[in-house]
Amino acid sequence: AQSVTQLDSHVSVSEGTPVLLRCNYSSSYSPSLFWYVQHPNKGLQLLLKYTSAATLVKGINGFEAEFKKSETSFHLTKPSAHMSDAAEYFCVVSQGGYNKLIFGAGTRLAVHP
Amino acid sequence: DARVTQTPRHKVTEMGQEVTMRCQPILGHNTVFWYRQTMMQGLELLAYFRNRAPLDDSGMPKDRFSAEMPDATLATLKIQPSEPRDSAVYFCASGEFLAEAFFGQGTRLTVV
Repeated sequence: AQSVTQLDSHVSVSEGTPVLLRCNYSSSYSPSLFWYVQHPNKGLQLLLKYTSAATLVKGINGFEAEFKKSETSFHLTKPSAHMSDAAEYFCVVSQGGYNKLIFGAGTRLAVHP
Repeated sequence: DARVTQTPRHKVTEMGQEVTMRCQPILGHNTVFWYRQTMMQGLELLAYFRNRAPLDDSGMPKDRFSAEMPDATLATLKIQPSEPRDSAVYFCASGEFLAEAFFGQGTRLTVV
């Protein structure tokens, strides 16, 4: 069965410094992986997705993630944090042919001036 | 700009009342999800449909919750009777097979 583990429940960075949000997955199949972002009192917005094409995936707002099969990881990065990046981020795996989306517990990103 | 539309956005009801939440998926999407989000449990998958047929509703309390898709443009989630522990934000999402899901803005339910 598929599962997702987000290794940090909270991450705090200063504006202008790099962001790293860590995600490990477990999957019996070649997974599809996603990162979603949720700003306070808002719905979830897709940041980026991996679907077995290029292992380095670029998303919106300067975010990118690298799929590493040997490490079963799909970490999210951004070179320089902006105040508007403060939100909750979810790593998601799609379960095989059923397209059932399994969410991680979320990482809350705080960005300080 | 295609989007998933959920109504109502907010609902306050008394314990024991029936609650119906509605979702209009993006036209052409064949997969619809219902998720519940709480502080304690995070995002839980309640049910999902493919081509209007329920594929998995194992995350849903069967005695009080029901989910249906009367047609391709409408998905409903009902709670009867509602309880305070049902207070949460309920999200609907739609997508195409093996692709990403697009989420609505959610229905914030408060049961008093």
